[in-house]
Amino acid sequence: QQQVKQSPQSLIVQKGGIPIINCAYENTAFDYFPWYQQFPGKGPALLIAIRPDVSEKKEGRFTISFNKSAKQFSLHIMDSQPGDSATYFCAASQYNNNDMRFGAGTRLTVKP
Amino acid sequence: DGGITQSPKYLFRKEGQNVTLSCEQNLNHDAMYWYRQDPGQGLRLIYYSQIVNDFQKGDIAEGYSVSREKKESFPLTVTSAQKNPTAFYLCASSKGRSNSPLHFGNGTRLTVT
Repeated sequence: QQQVKQSPQSLIVQKGGIPIINCAYENTAFDYFPWYQQFPGKGPALLIAIRPDVSEKKEGRFTISFNKSAKQFSLHIMDSQPGDSATYFCAASQYNNNDMRFGAGTRLTVKP
Repeated sequence: DGGITQSPKYLFRKEGQNVTLSCEQNLNHDAMYWYRQDPGQGLRLIYYSQIVNDFQKGDIAEGYSVSREKKESFPLTVTSAQKNPTAFYLCASSKGRSNSPLHFGNGTRLTVT
């Protein structure tokens, strides 16, 4: 069963655009929500993470918005660059449980 | 330079053969994980281990086996019982504390024909 639903499956934007990737979760016990970035042929790498006690977190050009009541969170990439072209995964886990649940991934293409 | 090493990067096997994928970490992490990645399905957990000589099944453990004899090593065996073994396999580690981020290796692409 997929506990974290991610959309869209793929996304194409022009350089400088602001791609937005959305995730929704079901388990209200989740309390840690990371985003991972994966380049072709590589393993995913942690990009940014948020906990449910804040509604937004920004690191450089990457921002997570979190809506606890709606059980949704999203990744925004400001001033996107061709080098941001990658697959992005949202994930969720709960305290005292190392079983992290991943979304299906979004393949982002940023055109020059 | 600390990290996770998976070998080999590409692996080819005939149907009916068992194959073992290597994963070594020098991050001094307690927990290690194996994920399977298929297009459009995200990452699915096969097995994880929080301490040496102990491991737990994930969602798709059938047809796989693991061992954790050393803290640094967590090899995965894909047995002939795995019905659809061709996939990209990712090993990861974490400090093992709640909500610790995962550190991934660069994966092994297994093709079984």
